[in-house]
Amino acid sequence: NAGVTQTPKFQVLKTGQSMTLQCAQDMNHNSMYWYRQDPGMGLRLIYYSASEGTTDKGEVPNGYNVSRLNKREFSLRLESAAPSQTSVYFCASSEGPLSGNEQFFGPGTRLTVL
Amino acid sequence: GESVGLHLPTLSVQEGDNSIINCAYSNSASDYFIWYKQESGKGPQFIIDIRSNMDKRQGQRVTVLLNKTVKHLSLQIAATQPGDSAVYFCAENILPHNNDMRFGAGTRLTVKP
Repeated sequence: NAGVTQTPKFQVLKTGQSMTLQCAQDMNHNSMYWYRQDPGMGLRLIYYSASEGTTDKGEVPNGYNVSRLNKREFSLRLESAAPSQTSVYFCASSEGPLSGNEQFFGPGTRLTVL
Repeated sequence: GESVGLHLPTLSVQEGDNSIINCAYSNSASDYFIWYKQESGKGPQFIIDIRSNMDKRQGQRVTVLLNKTVKHLSLQIAATQPGDSAVYFCAENILPHNNDMRFGAGTRLTVKP
């Protein structure tokens, strides 16, 4: 099992460019999540998908869109990147709701917006 | 707004000593807490969790203590090893959203050989 995989590992964008971060899990988990982590801070939830076909906003959803493509894949899209979106992005998954289900994280995507 | 935070941003201990990492939370409605370990360049890794109906939970070399009266959470690591060097985060489940965990800023633990 690869667990949670993310692509790309690194990306540099110019302000206004768009891109999609990809995430896939092979653990047959129902729930998937996107977080961002800024230097010296904890993770903040952007969006999550409790189950295939559903998505919900987290703490910091502005400037992002998500797609739960199927049970395995959950993508995060930046339509018009801004320097404030420079961060490390982590995808995660869990079998069910976090209360009682361990959350597994991917290795992260380091994004720089110039 | 209510948030999760940590008392100490850094902690340095000698190999073999016990470590205690503290966390304060202010959301009295939170009923579930997790400690995560994050090594450099990696995603967070689950260490241990605890529900609000418990005061203490033990794992392998780790113990989490929850004091609801003062809204305080701590992680104790016994016989700290160099491999324990990492940033440790506490996170709380923000009810009623069962999938929304709020993270503290983290404490960096350094273990000296």
